[in-house]
Formats: sequence, C-alpha cells, structure tokens
Amino acid sequence: DGGITQSPKYLFRKEGQNVTLSCEQNLNHDAMYWYRQDPGQGLRLIYYSQIVNDFQKGDIAEGYSVSREKKESFPLTVTSAQKNPTAFYLCASSKTGDYGDEQYFGPGTRLTVT
Amino acid sequence: AQSVAQPEDQVNVAEGNPLTVKCTYSVSGNPYLFWYVQYPNRGLQFLLKYITGDNLVKGSYGFEAEFNKSQTSFHLKKPSALVSDSALYFCAVRDILYNFNKFYFGSGTKLNVKP
Repeated sequence: DGGITQSPKYLFRKEGQNVTLSCEQNLNHDAMYWYRQDPGQGLRLIYYSQIVNDFQKGDIAEGYSVSREKKESFPLTVTSAQKNPTAFYLCASSKTGDYGDEQYFGPGTRLTVT
Repeated sequence: AQSVAQPEDQVNVAEGNPLTVKCTYSVSGNPYLFWYVQYPNRGLQFLLKYITGDNLVKGSYGFEAEFNKSQTSFHLKKPSALVSDSALYFCAVRDILYNFNKFYFGSGTKLNVKP
C-alpha cells in the first residue's frame, strides 16, 4: 500500500519533556509537511520540506523542530519550549514538479501533554 | 498573499436535500483549488480539485464543485446529502506563484446531515 504513516496514533507526555512524532511516506514525494489542528479549528502549518536536508518554517514553528535526512521520513519534535503542545498533528506530502497534485495526509497523531 | 475563506463554520442539511459548502479564494496568478474531507480523529481525504478546464469538477463520493472566476469562488456541492457525509470540510489553494509547494487552507466547515 502506498501512503503516509504516522506513529503513534495517541501520545501522552509530561510537561517539560520533548517528544518526537514520526512520519513516513512511500509515495516518493519530495515535499513533506507538518500541520497542527486544534479542536474545531483549521490547519496551521508548522514546518515543511521541499527536499532532503532542507526545510522551512511555517506559520507556527516556535517550539518545534524537524529534520529531513531521508526522503521518506520527516519527524517532528515538540520541545518543552512549545507553550501549548496538546493538539492533533497531521503530516502530509506532495509532489513538487506537478502543480496540480494534491497533498496526501497521514492519519494523524493526537498528543496530550499534562 | 494567497488565501481561502470558508464563511460558514457549520452547515446543516436534511438527508436527501442538496448541500453546498462555500469557499472563496484570493490568489495571485491562476488558482489551483482543492477540497478535502476530514472525519473525526482522522487525516484529511482528498475529494476533488480544479486546475484548469471545465468549471464544474466532479470528485469522490458524488461531490462536485463549481469554479467561478468572476466571483472567486469554489463551492462544494452534492445533489443529495447522506448522513454519512457529516464531517469537516476544508478548501485549499496551492501557491504556484511564490512557493508552489505551499498550500493554504480555509478554517473548515462542519457539515451536519440530519436523517
């Protein structure tokens, strides 16, 4: 099956701890994205990467970090500097050479920090 | 800047009736527009897109959308709503002018279809 996997589906952490969310894709897409979604709200872009070893900040990058060492993988670390990390996190990917191609989304990770 | 707006937080419709979920856009250059659906605690699923050509585009699950350049709108429609269509719907535009790998999403519209 081609697609995007995110793990784990649910994640619980204590305040002050860093946590890393996994995102893997086997669609051979160059671009990958992380979004945050709060209850009843839309998507906010955290980081995106257009190619391996390169990434750009989105609208709400503070308190988050990413890496892109492999084309297939784009892990997101939620650091202790993120003031309100409890949210639903969505990873996505897309082709870069085709403007008409849509984004493909993973199933999401729900992070709860207490 | 590129943007899309979904003016309705929620749309209520009775099963069997037609539904419309509204989206307007503001872009520089040609708009590349998308609709997605999200069920609770799930990722977004692609429904349909407008790139060029016919203003009426057909997508998954019987949905269609009408592109209107003069009104800068891309409303999602379905002739006969099902209870199972109840979900959160997002309109999005791809930035093909400044950063073609960036997508801008609307705030989402919750569709409630009542039996």
